[in-house]
Order: sequence, then structure tokens, then C-alpha cells
Amino acid sequence: GAVVSQHPSRVICKSGTSVKIECRSLDFQATTMFWYRQFPKKSLMLMATSNEGSKATYEQGVEKDKFLINHASLTLSTLTVTSAHPEDSSFYICSASKGTSGSDEQFFGPGTRLTVL
Amino acid sequence: GQNIDQPTEMTATEGAIVQINCTYQTSGFNGLFWYQQHAGEAPTFLSYNVLDGLEEKGRFSSFLSRSKGYSYLLLKELQMKDSASYLCAVRDSNYQLIWGAGTKLIIKP
Repeated sequence: GAVVSQHPSRVICKSGTSVKIECRSLDFQATTMFWYRQFPKKSLMLMATSNEGSKATYEQGVEKDKFLINHASLTLSTLTVTSAHPEDSSFYICSASKGTSGSDEQFFGPGTRLTVL
Repeated sequence: GQNIDQPTEMTATEGAIVQINCTYQTSGFNGLFWYQQHAGEAPTFLSYNVLDGLEEKGRFSSFLSRSKGYSYLLLKELQMKDSASYLCAVRDSNYQLIWGAGTKLIIKP
């Protein structure tokens, strides 16, 4: 199999605080991990692509200083939403690929619902 | 620009057949994916087409015509649990996934 977990599944925080979301590939080594954001009734929006041991590549319009991504190992990537505000409330989904540059199928985590009060 | 078009919403009856269409204009083509997404959950993989033709997998089939930039997902013997959003995604020449907005499928008894 190819299982990806995310933690936490739901988080509610106050405006101005930082929130860290973990994405783990449980039974395979994920060379590449992707972070998506999804607004209600909208499609997935790719935020960034990260390869283990190197800096993440952010999509246009995504603030790298606000959404910190760390891909410390082949099984773990973290997304930290710094100084969260209500407009950051969204469904965040990570996916992992066994290959590089997303050339292989992506396996999705269950998602994290962030609510910023 | 790159574009994926799918109907926003469709309604079908339990036990029936429904076809969800997807048209795309992308810079290059390296495969088309269909994903199912239940409300509040992450997408799950349904099918992958890279060559023209029909791929059948149980109650679900997916068709691709690269010359027409067109695909459809066919769901047979619909069950209530098939109520979900169905996302079409195309991998472009840079191997980036371009996502459609999804089609919300409502199944009625």
C-alpha cells in the first residue's frame, strides 16, 4: 500500500498563533511531497512542492514566509501556518509521491481542517 | 492558460448510470486522473488514462480522447455511497497536476 497520514485532522486556533501540520508517508519513502489548500466547493490549489533535503518550491501567490514547509526526511513533511488569521481557515491536504517532480501517482493524506477564530 | 472544465453538479438515481465529462486545455499531456472526494475528506484515486480508449475497473470506467482533449468517468449501478465530488486532473508537460473544480454527484433513492 501507500498510506499517508496527517496530523492533526482538525485544529481550531486563535488569530495570531502558529499552527503546525504534519504529513507522514507510513509505508514508503516519499521523495516529493505536495501541499494543497481547498476552499469549500472549490478545487485543490497547489501551494508548494517539497523534495527531501531541499527548499520547497512555492506556487505563485503563496507567501513562503507565512506557510513554512520543512521536508526533513523521506517520510515527514511539515507545514507551519505562521501568525494565522481567519482568512487562513481552510482544508489543507498533503500528498506524497515516490518519484521526483510529481512524475508518479500522488497519494493523499486525509486532510487537516484549520479554523482560525 | 491551462483549463479543466467539468459540470458543477449532477443528479442521478440509485441503480442508474451516470457519465461525468471533463474537457481540458493544457500545455502538454502526461496523463489524466479521476479522483473521488467525499465531503470533508481527501481525494482518493479512481483511475488513470494516458492512452486513448476506455479503462474499466469494476463499476467505474474512464475514457480518454487526447485529440479532443476529452475524458469521461462512467459510474454504473449507482449506490448511495457514490454521492461525492469527482475531480478530473491532468498532468501537463512539466508533470504538474492541473485540477478541475470537481463535479458534485447527488444520488437519489
